[in-house]
Amino acid sequence: GENVEQHPSTLSVQEGDSAVIKCTYSDSASNYFPWYKQELGKRPQLIIDIRSNVGEKKDQRIAVTLNKTAKHFSLHITETQPEDSAVYFCAASMNNDMRFGAGTRLTVKP
Amino acid sequence: EADIYQTPRYLVIGTGKKITLECSQTMGHDKMYWYQQDPGMELHLIHYSYGVNSTEKGDLSSESTVSRIRTEHFPLTLESARPSHTSQYLCASTTLARSEQFFGPGTRLTVL
Repeated sequence: GENVEQHPSTLSVQEGDSAVIKCTYSDSASNYFPWYKQELGKRPQLIIDIRSNVGEKKDQRIAVTLNKTAKHFSLHITETQPEDSAVYFCAASMNNDMRFGAGTRLTVKP
Repeated sequence: EADIYQTPRYLVIGTGKKITLECSQTMGHDKMYWYQQDPGMELHLIHYSYGVNSTEKGDLSSESTVSRIRTEHFPLTLESARPSHTSQYLCASTTLARSEQFFGPGTRLTVL
């Protein structure tokens, strides 16, 4: 089955700096890679996703890149703000069979 | 408003009790999931369902059961609660035609 590894487990940045979270997956058949943000005490919510036929996708300050050959994908947050502080989960999916990474706790210091 | 609902939101019970956590979605989704998550930690898949009368076990299913009699309803039952069950339980759903999972607000369970 699919196995997703996520690094780092915690990340602390200064407001305005960039943050990068990386994930690797094991099943080359996976074709959908979402990123979820979970604020304290709230439900995970999708912030950006990418499909295997695309190498990069950007939405304002958030971007995701995918390297299918190496089986890894990354989340990039630029110009971080304190409200970006949360736990971020990557996932890899095929036919709705989704496996999540262990999460990255991002802290943005004002 | 189309959403996914979970009840109760908080539950404190004693060891050995049987409990059912409710999950309902009004989004017309086919596939539904249950996850166990300690706050801010990894999501562990407990059970999932492709549709009515379909249930599958996840990685953490041995102490619970689910049923899917109606498309919109996917309850999770713990036959005999133990302190090790203390955690947050998240329900999620998606359509077979899409990939994004939508999560409910969660049930925070404490077993004394």
